[in-house]
This record gives sequence, C-alpha cells and structure tokens, in this order.
Amino acid sequence: EPEVTQTPSHQVTQMGQEVILRCVPISNHLYFYWYRQILGQKVEFLVSFYNNEISEKSEIFDDQFSVERPDGSNFTLKIRSTKLEDSAMYFCASSEKIGQSSNQPQHFGDGTRLSIL
Amino acid sequence: GQQLNQSPQSMFIQEGEDVSMNCTSSSIFNTWLWYKQDPGEGPVLLIALYKAGELTSNGRLTAQFGITRKDSFLNISASIPSDVGIYFCAGRQETSGSRLTFGEGTQLTVNP
Repeated sequence: EPEVTQTPSHQVTQMGQEVILRCVPISNHLYFYWYRQILGQKVEFLVSFYNNEISEKSEIFDDQFSVERPDGSNFTLKIRSTKLEDSAMYFCASSEKIGQSSNQPQHFGDGTRLSIL
Repeated sequence: GQQLNQSPQSMFIQEGEDVSMNCTSSSIFNTWLWYKQDPGEGPVLLIALYKAGELTSNGRLTAQFGITRKDSFLNISASIPSDVGIYFCAGRQETSGSRLTFGEGTQLTVNP
C-alpha cells in the first residue's frame, strides 16, 4: 500500500540553527500537510499546501516556518531559527483531495523527531 | 480554536473485552476520522465518517458520526493485545478548510 515517507526519522539541532524536514507524499495525492505533536500532547495542525501554495496555516506557523515543494515528489518544512520549544514530532500527511468522498482522508507518515538542544 | 474533548483519557482492559471511546465538541464537524498511533509511529487511519448518523465498521472496529455532528464514538469489540496504542479522533469543519483538529487521545492498554 502506498505510504507517506519522512526523513530523517530523528534530527538533533542546536538552537538557532535552520532545519529542513523532508517528506515524500503518496504519489497521486494533491494536498499536503504538516502537523506537529509535542511529547505527550495531541497532534496540532501547522499548514496545508495545494497547487504550489499554502492554502491554510495555523497560528503556530509563524515567520520562522516555510514549506516548499521543490520538485514533483518532495514536500519540505523549513524552520529558520529553531527554538527549544520547536522540539516535537513533525508529521507530514497527504490526501487525494479534500471533500466529501470516502476515499480522501489524510494519510500520515511516521514523523521526524526534532530535538533542539 | 476548535476543541475536541476525547474520553476516556486512558483505559485498562482485559483481552476479549469491548471498548468504547468518544469525542465531543461544541462545534459542528463535517468529517470525523479515527486514527491509531503506536509508539514512534505516525497516526494510522482506522475509520473515516462523512455523514451525520453514519455507522461504519472496519473489522472489530465500529465508529459512528453523531446526529448532531458534534460527536463521534469508536467501539472496539473483543479486544486483543495488539489493540494497545493511542486512539485519536480528528474532525474537520466546513469553515476550517482542510485542517484536522485532533482530540487529546485515549491510551488503551489490553492485559492478556
């Protein structure tokens, strides 16, 4: 079964450094998402992306964050100057499209654990 | 922002027992999803619900989209040890585009 893949599985970075998290969504999917999960807490929406632009973002997704689809398969999340509170699991998800069809839910990758020192 | 209240927070049951968990909100949702998360992995979709009143099964799992569109429940029948994990409800509102709002999760422990 097709799946969302994320790399690296674990990233350790010094505070203030830039980090790029990478995702390969499911190939025929058109909508891409980033979520984060701080240890022991619920999953929180960061941003959605469609047709090469951000379609929606949360209050968490401030100017330190950016997303990009550099080619036909990758989808990246960049954090420009990391802070201690950015430590979390970051999940990429994709869906065929949004809407009411029963075959279009969001499918998640296994995440990247980001540790800021 | 929108809040999903998921309960119970944790459950400890014996193998073979049935389990029920639910999510409620003060807001209306047009999609309810149930995910399971194992340690170190991402949420895996279990069931998706798109219509008020919809009742959907996936093996031993059954979920329903509440008539008021403000709640959903998930039942697991005849639990087995591999059912252990964290179960999350997630909802999408018509006014919030494609973003999913997640519940706090239910940690399920199954004793053999």
